[in-house]
Amino acid sequence: DSGVTQTPKHLITATGQRVTLRCSPRSGDLSVYWYQQSLDQGLQFLIQYYNGEERAKGNILERFSAQQFPDLHSELNLSSLELGDSALYFCASGPGSPDNEQFFGPGTRLTVL
Amino acid sequence: ILNVEQSPQSLHVQEGDSTNFTCSFPSSNFYALHWYRWETAKSPEALFVMTLNGDEKKKGRISATLNTKEGYSYLYIKGSQPEDSATYLCAFLNSGYALNFGKGTSLLVTP
Repeated sequence: DSGVTQTPKHLITATGQRVTLRCSPRSGDLSVYWYQQSLDQGLQFLIQYYNGEERAKGNILERFSAQQFPDLHSELNLSSLELGDSALYFCASGPGSPDNEQFFGPGTRLTVL
Repeated sequence: ILNVEQSPQSLHVQEGDSTNFTCSFPSSNFYALHWYRWETAKSPEALFVMTLNGDEKKKGRISATLNTKEGYSYLYIKGSQPEDSATYLCAFLNSGYALNFGKGTSLLVTP
């Protein structure tokens, strides 16, 4: 158990809908990272937050947004969902320095029908 | 997106065999190289973070080396055990903050 929690574990929704994925980092970690794992793709970095502020952005679609709250939990919002958004979404946390390891949560499996 | 290549894509060895995998990454603007182990139905777990050229790290039977000038890292497993079966991911970090992951090497160790 990494200490990172993610909810929900599974989510099934329809195209065009909007969903929110939630992540609570390990105690003491200031940084949260979001990743997407699609079929046949490696882990793709989406976005990083550090102590409430956006720090780095990857190939995150404009339909997706995230935020980190004062209690350091983070939410990833996915809107106007398409079939291709079906994936495993991981949240990871860490102290925030790039040369620190990241601790991954169990992931949220999103299925868009 | 920075290209991180891992080889082989998959590997099947017998218990007791030693094995190694390769991670290739761009050699410019190097900052760090991460190795993660990902077991089926679990989440990736950090093995090593390496930052210096020539770095060697070890954790039990698993070790890793780093060559930043030529852009590669090797992961070695000595005396593979069935519980080592997993996908091994490497991730490259350049001067930014985003980890660029390879697609992984899938290792199967059979008794």
